[in-house]
Amino acid sequence: GNSVTQMEGPVTLSEEAFLTINCTYTATGYPSLFWYVQYPGEGLQLLLKATKADDKGSNKGFEATYRKETTSFHLEKGSVQVSDSAVYFCASDGGYGNKLVFGAGTILRVKS
Amino acid sequence: DAGVIQSPRHEVTEMGQEVTLRCKPISGHDYLFWYRQTMMRGLELLIYFNNNVPIDDSGMPEDRFSAKMPNASFSTLKIQPSEPRDSAVYFCASSPAGANRQYFGPGTRLTVT
Repeated sequence: GNSVTQMEGPVTLSEEAFLTINCTYTATGYPSLFWYVQYPGEGLQLLLKATKADDKGSNKGFEATYRKETTSFHLEKGSVQVSDSAVYFCASDGGYGNKLVFGAGTILRVKS
Repeated sequence: DAGVIQSPRHEVTEMGQEVTLRCKPISGHDYLFWYRQTMMRGLELLIYFNNNVPIDDSGMPEDRFSAKMPNASFSTLKIQPSEPRDSAVYFCASSPAGANRQYFGPGTRLTVT
């Protein structure tokens, strides 16, 4: 089946620290993979995506590389800011288009 | 574009009352999704529509929940009767045909006392 597993939080970092949030997936097809971000009191918004193996999605200093051999799509940022504090969701379309499967979400807290 | 619009933003009701949540998708989007978010269960897909037709309602928790999409620009999620365990944030999202990116609304925070 199609599922997404991401690391539990909360993750607490100091400003300018390096961030990694792990995400792995299972899929019966060839999925596209996504990271969504949810700021307090708001809906989810797309952060980045990758549609095939070895693609790298990037946005706002965040990056994630689609690794088919390890079925992973880990989110990274070299230097986090307080404004990055949010909940991050990894998601997959399972290879079948519009319906997405989301991970449980990881809370990120960045301290100044 | 105004984005996905949801109303109300907050709803407080008593157990047993009927609750109706509303959503206006982005114009031209063919898909509409209803999600529920709680601390315990995370983000759950309740139902989704394609061209106003319900495609998958397997996530609807029970018969107290119903969803309709009478036209391309409006959808409702109704809970009747409501129970305290229905307290959650309900999100509506839409996406265009051929694209797997979803655009989320700001959510409706429902509290059932």
